[in-house]
Amino acid sequence: QKEVEQDPGPLSVPEGAIVSLNCTYSNSAFQYFMWYRQYSRKGPELLMYTYSSGNKEDGRFTAQVDKSSKYISLFIRDSQPSDSATYLCAMRGSNSGNTPLVFGKGTRLSVIA
Amino acid sequence: DAGITQSPRHKVTETGTPVTLRCHQTENHRYMYWYRQDPGHGLRLIHYSYGVKDTDKGEVSDGYSVSRSKTEDFLLTLESATSSQTSVYFCAISDSPKTGTEAFFGQGTRLTVV
Repeated sequence: QKEVEQDPGPLSVPEGAIVSLNCTYSNSAFQYFMWYRQYSRKGPELLMYTYSSGNKEDGRFTAQVDKSSKYISLFIRDSQPSDSATYLCAMRGSNSGNTPLVFGKGTRLSVIA
Repeated sequence: DAGITQSPRHKVTETGTPVTLRCHQTENHRYMYWYRQDPGHGLRLIHYSYGVKDTDKGEVSDGYSVSRSKTEDFLLTLESATSSQTSVYFCAISDSPKTGTEAFFGQGTRLTVV
């Protein structure tokens, strides 16, 4: 079993829809959770960062962590065509650069105008 | 964008030749990472550095070596390129994450081994 599982999609939604992206993980030591957005032929860019369980909101984006279920989510409200990208979840067990991030494989999202 | 520059951005090389990719940062961040990204595999860590001359192996380090002689530069060398090393290579940097500063990525190097 991979440490981090993420449905690769593709996921296609109409403009204005609420999008739900998810990852599951197996390592209970993970405490720091991130979402990256990657446009085609570009490097990943950090979108959201959360520590431990709970929610974090930033504009149209909400990140949720449920450590008891080993499940994290990213919600995008009022989705826009500019949100079309691949979304990568990432996580690590400690807040140290010596503990590199473990990534999911990414979910490809298309928002149709 | 964080101050990360990868060079070259594109390269085609022949099997068996050595190849060096460069990552240069202007952020003075302590940690630097090399990842490769392949369809169906996502991002996989090759090597990382936690200081000048301090490096460690990642998940897929076989066939690769790295060097970091200055804070700002992290070199990835394919000692004898093989077709399985055709990939997109990303460099990332991270500061001492007291506040959870996470990795910032470069724009990638697209390498083709023929």
